[in-house]
Amino acid sequence: GAVVSQHPSWVICKSGTSVKIECRSLDFQATTMFWYRQFPKQSLMLMATSNEGSKATYEQGVEKDKFLINHASLTLSTLTVTSAHPEDSSFYICSANRDGYTFGSGTRLTVV
Amino acid sequence: EDKVVQSPLSLVVHEGDTVTLNCSYEVTNFRSLLWYKQEKKAPTFLFMLTSSGIEKKSGRLSSILDKKELFSILNITATQTGDSAIYLCAVWGSGNTGKLIFGQGTTLQVKP
Repeated sequence: GAVVSQHPSWVICKSGTSVKIECRSLDFQATTMFWYRQFPKQSLMLMATSNEGSKATYEQGVEKDKFLINHASLTLSTLTVTSAHPEDSSFYICSANRDGYTFGSGTRLTVV
Repeated sequence: EDKVVQSPLSLVVHEGDTVTLNCSYEVTNFRSLLWYKQEKKAPTFLFMLTSSGIEKKSGRLSSILDKKELFSILNITATQTGDSAIYLCAVWGSGNTGKLIFGQGTTLQVKP
């Protein structure tokens, strides 16, 4: 079946630094990938749609300059949280769609 | 605006009980409804429902979709403590560029 790999699984960073999260489709090509954020005890909120070879589409209220998305190949999308602050601490999950949605394993980001 | 609403938001039962989780939706150009189970990390796929009235079953879990009344239910029979998790309902509509819209989730706790 379709496999989506996400890295790292968890990361702790200092306030003001940037963090990059990678999402790879391992056995299929994904022209579109989706990035979600989940706060404790809440559901998944879509942040943006990552499009291979073009700009990402951001959901309302998501700062595109803070959450940089790059989808340079058909198997890799990256999300960079720039100038991270403690309020950016969350669980970030990517997904790709092939015959149904497959999620990556998620990244737990803690900003201290 | 596309919307997915789950109920109840939380539920506590004892082992052996049967539970029914609800999901109602409003979405442009409905394509599919998906159920996921989330424990500590990323959601794991349970069911994808596209056609009305056809029950999907996997072990003690089953789900059905009603496209006329715009809702779905997820049933779990003979619950076990391992069923404790957040159950997420999501809807995929072609009118929203293929992204999933998630409900708030139902937190199920099964006590021994």
